[in-house]
Amino acid sequence: AQSVSQHNHHVILSEAASLELGCNYSYGGTVNLFWYVQYPGQHLQLLLKYFSGDPLVKGIKGFEAEFIKSKFSFNLRKPSVQWSDTAEYFCAVNGGSQGNLIFGKGTKLSVKP
Amino acid sequence: GAVVSQHPSRVICKSGTSVKIECRSLDFQATTMFWYRQFPKQSLMLMATSNEGSKATYEQGVEKDKFLINHASLTLSTLTVTSAHPEDSSFYICSARQGDHTEAFFGQGTRLTVV
Repeated sequence: AQSVSQHNHHVILSEAASLELGCNYSYGGTVNLFWYVQYPGQHLQLLLKYFSGDPLVKGIKGFEAEFIKSKFSFNLRKPSVQWSDTAEYFCAVNGGSQGNLIFGKGTKLSVKP
Repeated sequence: GAVVSQHPSRVICKSGTSVKIECRSLDFQATTMFWYRQFPKQSLMLMATSNEGSKATYEQGVEKDKFLINHASLTLSTLTVTSAHPEDSSFYICSARQGDHTEAFFGQGTRLTVV
């Protein structure tokens, strides 16, 4: 069965630190990969997505992710985090039989000012 | 991006009662809506997929008689939790998309607490 694994449950960083959140997926077909962010009390918002082409994808708010097919990975990165990046981050792949997304468990990011 | 509005954002109900959650696409026509459930520290798990004008497709293990889904129009889908029990307490999230291979947009979620 398709699955998405996010390795870190909770990451705590100081402002200006660099961020990398791991995401591995298991899916045999053509993948579309997504990172969503959920700020406290708000909707899930799309940070970035990979459908095809350049495996290094740039998203909003300075985030980027790299699709490495050989490693089945799609890690999220940001060179310098801000307090306002405190949120929960979800990796997802389009692997559902209904065209739905399959989500990882999420990683909570806490950025200390 | 497009807006999906979910209502209510929080609801507390007594055990045995029913609760209806609405999911509306405000500025696009949603041919497909997805209903997810999220337990604490868990993934969003798909409960069912609804296409406008047809019966919802439920995932294995989801009771269709307990979680009634109606997708009566291209902008509205509802999830009714019938005869709610404390174990139904969870965070329910809908998402909507305009067509196949398009991005799905998410509602803000509904926190259901059954007491």
